[in-house]
Amino acid sequence: QVQLQESGPGLMKPSQTLSLTCTVSGGSVSSGDYYWSWIRQPPGKGLEWIGYIYYSGSTYHNPSLKSRVTMSVDTSKNQFSLKLSSVTAADTAVYYCARLLVLPAALDNWGQGTLVTVSS
Amino acid sequence: QSALTQPPSASGSPGQSVTISCTGTSSDVGNYNYVSWYQQHPGKAPKLMIYEVSKRPSGVPDRFSGSKSGNTASLTVSGLQAEDEADYYCISYTGSNLFYVFGTGTNVTVL
Repeated sequence: QVQLQESGPGLMKPSQTLSLTCTVSGGSVSSGDYYWSWIRQPPGKGLEWIGYIYYSGSTYHNPSLKSRVTMSVDTSKNQFSLKLSSVTAADTAVYYCARLLVLPAALDNWGQGTLVTVSS
Repeated sequence: QSALTQPPSASGSPGQSVTISCTGTSSDVGNYNYVSWYQQHPGKAPKLMIYEVSKRPSGVPDRFSGSKSGNTASLTVSGLQAEDEADYYCISYTGSNLFYVFGTGTNVTVL
């Protein structure tokens, strides 16, 4: 049974860089069948793609986040990571990591989510 | 890249059926049979309920079914139960930009 676990800060100040790591157990980030994904959900709102990364290092990110997003994968630690720069209060959300089956385009395993609050 | 359109809310009495729509375009829902549906209870992570329009992962009750017509996919929950009260989201493959797009979400209430 694959499990994903997010880790990162709970509280941040505006303009800082958010760093989150997702540790995968029971499966390998080196599998070519999956994209390793980041999704967020502002309080009381819907789900939003941040982006995802393939084991090769290829990344895709939501154009609305422009150049603030950096993703990486560490196959030796079976982890993948997200950095979001210049955060503002609008980046306050629950951040999920998830495993995306490339096709059929299904997010079949999710982390429990971690709340990140941006406040001065 | 616009989100897929879902009704904000839907409701039904226990035992009844409720159907949620997910409307996209000919570039996403209408062009690919890669639509999936997720159930999210308050404070919990979403859970995959349907993939490839109508397939159920192991462990998902057969009360949940999916279909598609043109640019609109649908999720039907039959024999509504109290535990079906949740938010539901669809996703479709788009083949462009980010490749995948979320629906706006539907809150299902069991009356």
